[in-house]
Amino acid sequence: GIQVEQSPPDLILQEGANSTLRCNFSDSVNNLQWFHQNPWGQLINLFYIPSGTKQNGRLSATTVATERYSLLYISSSQTTDSGVYFCAVGGGNTPLVFGKGTRLSVIA
Amino acid sequence: NAGVTQTPKFQVLKTGQSMTLQCAQDMNHNSMYWYRQDPGMGLRLIYYSASEGTTDKGEVPNGYNVSRLNKREFSLRLESAAPSQTSVYFCASSEMGHQPQHFGDGTRLSIL
Repeated sequence: GIQVEQSPPDLILQEGANSTLRCNFSDSVNNLQWFHQNPWGQLINLFYIPSGTKQNGRLSATTVATERYSLLYISSSQTTDSGVYFCAVGGGNTPLVFGKGTRLSVIA
Repeated sequence: NAGVTQTPKFQVLKTGQSMTLQCAQDMNHNSMYWYRQDPGMGLRLIYYSASEGTTDKGEVPNGYNVSRLNKREFSLRLESAAPSQTSVYFCASSEMGHQPQHFGDGTRLSIL
């Protein structure tokens, strides 16, 4: 099955800093999603982005499907950005496979 | 508009007891999913239902059964709970298989 690797596993930022989270995957995909799990455990869908670039406020994502990676950019980070960011991918008709996540801590 | 609702939020069971986790969505989505989340493991798919009337195994189906009761509801049953099934369980739904998934708030299940 598809393998998903996220990096870095942990990241600590000062409030206001920018960051880039990476998701590498082992096979062709037609479904890629980014999620944020907040400190209370809730999972929020950030982007559905099997290819191309999308932006939503301070967050943006880019997927280069031919090179099998996706990037999540967080600009001007805030303490509310803290939590775990998951990348999940799927190919063909297969369901999503989740990476192990990047744990982000933003310090005031 | 509640989205995806899971009940209960917390549960403690003894080994060998049975339990059904309930999930309902009000977004008229076709596909529904059950995941478990363990520390350091990310989320792993237990079962999914691509559409009403169908269910399929995911990565870790052993020890679980599911029922797609109707388009809105998808339940997960543990017939004989084991300590290895201690986890946080999430239900999710999407309009179709390749559409954004929306998650419930989870059920924290402990088996002693």
